This record gives sequence, C-alpha cells and structure tokens, in this order.
Amino acid sequence: KQEVTQIPAALSVPEGENLVLNCSFTDSAIYNLQWFRQDPGKGLTSLLLIQSSQREQTSGRLNASLDKSSGRSTLYIAASQPGDSATYLCAVFLYTGGFKTIFGAGTRLFVKA
Amino acid sequence: NAGVTQTPKFQVLKTGQSMTLQCAQDMNHNSMYWYRQDPGMGLRLIYYSASEGTTDKGEVPNGYNVSRLNKREFSLRLESAAPSQTSVYFCASSVNPQGAGNTIYFGEGSWLTVV
Repeated sequence: KQEVTQIPAALSVPEGENLVLNCSFTDSAIYNLQWFRQDPGKGLTSLLLIQSSQREQTSGRLNASLDKSSGRSTLYIAASQPGDSATYLCAVFLYTGGFKTIFGAGTRLFVKA
Repeated sequence: NAGVTQTPKFQVLKTGQSMTLQCAQDMNHNSMYWYRQDPGMGLRLIYYSASEGTTDKGEVPNGYNVSRLNKREFSLRLESAAPSQTSVYFCASSVNPQGAGNTIYFGEGSWLTVV
C-alpha cells in the first residue's frame, strides 16, 4: 500500500533562511508527484508538478526534486519570507485499478520576520 | 478567474439530515474530484469523475453519492449525515484524470459539522 510521509510535521525558521521539506513514498510506481501550498482556511494551490520521468522542477525560489528509486522528493525554498508561512503538502499520483492520489499530512512552515 | 467554486462554505447539520455540496469549474476540465481533509490524515479521495458521464469511488466513498451534472458541475451528496462526516470538503478539477501529468486545481473548501 502506498504511503506518503512528510517530515518534519512543523518547522519554524528565521526569515532569509534556505530550507528543505521532505516527502517520502513507499511505492516507486508513481505517475507524478505534486507539491501544494495550503494557507489556513483555504484550498490547496499547486506549486510544482514533477513527472515520473523528470528529476526536478523549478519555479522562482522553489525547487522540487524527485528520486523515484529511493522514494523521495524534496522541496527547496530559497531565501524564505514570512509570506511563505503555510502548510506544504506533497501528493503522489498512481493508477492501481483506478486513479489514486495519496497525500502526505503536510509540513507546517512558519517563517519569522 | 473563478477556477473551482464550491458551496456552501460552512454548514452545520444534525445527524440524519441530508445535504448536497455543489461544485463548478470554469476551466473546461474533464476530470473532477471530491476530497475530505481531516486533521492528521491528510486529504482522502471520496469520489472522482474522470470525464463527463462517469463517476468512480475513491478511497472513502461510504456514506456519499455524487453526480456529474455536466462538464462543469460535480456535486457531492450526504444522504444521512453522521458525526464521522464532520470534515473539510474540497472539490478539485484537472484537464485529464490524475496521473496523466496534470496540475490539480482546488476549491476553497466547505466546512461541514454534523452534530
């Protein structure tokens, strides 16, 4: 059974720090992996989508990597800002007799000014 | 830029009552989804519609029914609400079914409390 784990569950950093959020999954037979941001009381906003054939994707200060063989993805945030404070979730997409999306529980990030 | 719109935003139900959550997307997406989000459990897929005219069960379909009314609209119905269905519900959509390399777009969520 596919499981997605995000560590740490919560993280507090000073403004300007570079940081890495981790996502691990147990089954490497995924179609793709997506990172989302969720602000309190809001829906999820897609940040980066990595296809199974790709190794990384970049958008502004964000860089996501994917290592299927080890079942890991990382989200790197450069020069963090207070506005980056949110919960970050990763999700893997797979097909096993039907389409499935497995979400991690998320990492709650707080960036201190 | 409406994207995915779901209503209502908040709802309190008594056990046994029924209600329907409405969802509409204006991005001409083929696939639509209903998720629930519970503390410590992440998001779980309730039902999805890969394309207009089709619906399929997700991970936690018990106690729910769905209708893909047309390409834009996908509703979720609770026939007899139970306290275990207290949750935040999210509607989402994508161009093609999950796993086909598409970004998924989410609505703002519907907070449902069953007392």
